[in-house]
Amino acid sequence: DAGVIQSPRHEVTEMGQEVTLRCKPISGHNSLFWYRQTMMRGLELLIYFNNNVPIDDSGMPEDRFSAKMPNASFSTLKIQPSEPRDSAVYFCASSLWTSGPKGELFFGEGSRLTVL
Amino acid sequence: GQNIDQPTEMTATEGAIVQINCTYQTSGFNGLFWYQQHAGEAPTFLSYNVLDGLEEKGRFSSFLSRSKGYSYLLLKELQMKDSASYLCAAGGGGGNKLTFGTGTQLKVEL
Repeated sequence: DAGVIQSPRHEVTEMGQEVTLRCKPISGHNSLFWYRQTMMRGLELLIYFNNNVPIDDSGMPEDRFSAKMPNASFSTLKIQPSEPRDSAVYFCASSLWTSGPKGELFFGEGSRLTVL
Repeated sequence: GQNIDQPTEMTATEGAIVQINCTYQTSGFNGLFWYQQHAGEAPTFLSYNVLDGLEEKGRFSSFLSRSKGYSYLLLKELQMKDSASYLCAAGGGGGNKLTFGTGTQLKVEL
């Protein structure tokens, strides 16, 4: 079975450019998470969706960041304009959310972003 | 808010046992997860505790005390391939939100 699929795996861009990261969750999962990982701050939750609806975006750094989930099989994280401090690995993860014991998160391979 | 604390680094010897501690503070706690992350790779699930006590899974065990806001991951019969970062994560803060600690970098030596 296919896991969480992210693209691109690596992106190098210049400050001020728009960056779009893409994610395809595991089929049947109804929760999708965007995390950012840096050496200094570890794995930070940016935003998560349940049933395609954004539930908590309190981790989104600022208005330059936006995320969408137009359907159950696709999500994007956009940074516009990008800045060098946005350089990090961005992980997408999905899970099956129920009202019972919580399901584990399955992570994609990550998108390594470098902003020059 | 959520707060997760775990040691930054640990070193252990191949074949030995190591315990990685984690303390957490979170509202609406609904479970404690441990993930393993090798360098350059994605985190992968190791264990989940929602009730107090010890959960054993092969060489790995995880313990939870909800009253103390404390968990540990126990790794037995250490192997070189266990060298990785171990992430403690607490569910809470509403819905199925999962907050991660900064990870404990474990180095297994000969």
